[in-house]
Amino acid sequence: EAQVTQNPRYLITVTGKKLTVTCSQNMNHEYMSWYRQDPGLGLRQIYYSMNVEATDKGDVPEGYKVSRKEKRNFPLILESPSPNQTSLYFCASSLNGGFPHYGYTFGSGTRLTVV
Amino acid sequence: AQSVTQLGSHVSVSEGALVLLRCNYSSSVPPYLFWYVQYPNQGLQLLLKYTSAATLVKGINGFEAEFKKSETSFHLTKPSAHMSDAAEYFCAVSDHGDMRFGAGTRLTVKP
Repeated sequence: EAQVTQNPRYLITVTGKKLTVTCSQNMNHEYMSWYRQDPGLGLRQIYYSMNVEATDKGDVPEGYKVSRKEKRNFPLILESPSPNQTSLYFCASSLNGGFPHYGYTFGSGTRLTVV
Repeated sequence: AQSVTQLGSHVSVSEGALVLLRCNYSSSVPPYLFWYVQYPNQGLQLLLKYTSAATLVKGINGFEAEFKKSETSFHLTKPSAHMSDAAEYFCAVSDHGDMRFGAGTRLTVKP
């Protein structure tokens, strides 16, 4: 089944403790992206990747890191999480970022709480 | 840069009534436009998309949307609401690689 898999689905952590949210897609998509969803703000892009070893900042990149060493994986890293990073996170992929008409396939989301 | 405005953060309709969710966009070039639906505790699913082939776009679950360039709008409609349509709906625009989302509209369907 074609899908984007995120792990974990739920995570509660403490301020300053490094964490990684994994994202993997099995569709051979070139383009991958991370969003955070907050009430009243919709989805805001954190980072995106047009292909392997090509990442770029979205609208709200502060406090996050990403890497794209393989085509299928695009982990989101929070080196020192803070309470304002409490949010619902989504990973998404698309066949080719240069052709947006393909639309995105989304993962099921990761609900992160930082206390 | 492109942007999207969804009018109304909450819309409530009765079962069987018309559903109308409003979306206006801003883009410097001909855009690609999308509607996504998010059911509770799930990710977003593509409902329909406009890619310049036809101005009236039909999607899944009986939804459709009409692209109106003169009004810079892409409103989502469904003739008769069903209880299972209760969800959050997001309009999105893309004119390059990245996609910009609206703030979302939560649809409630009353029995």
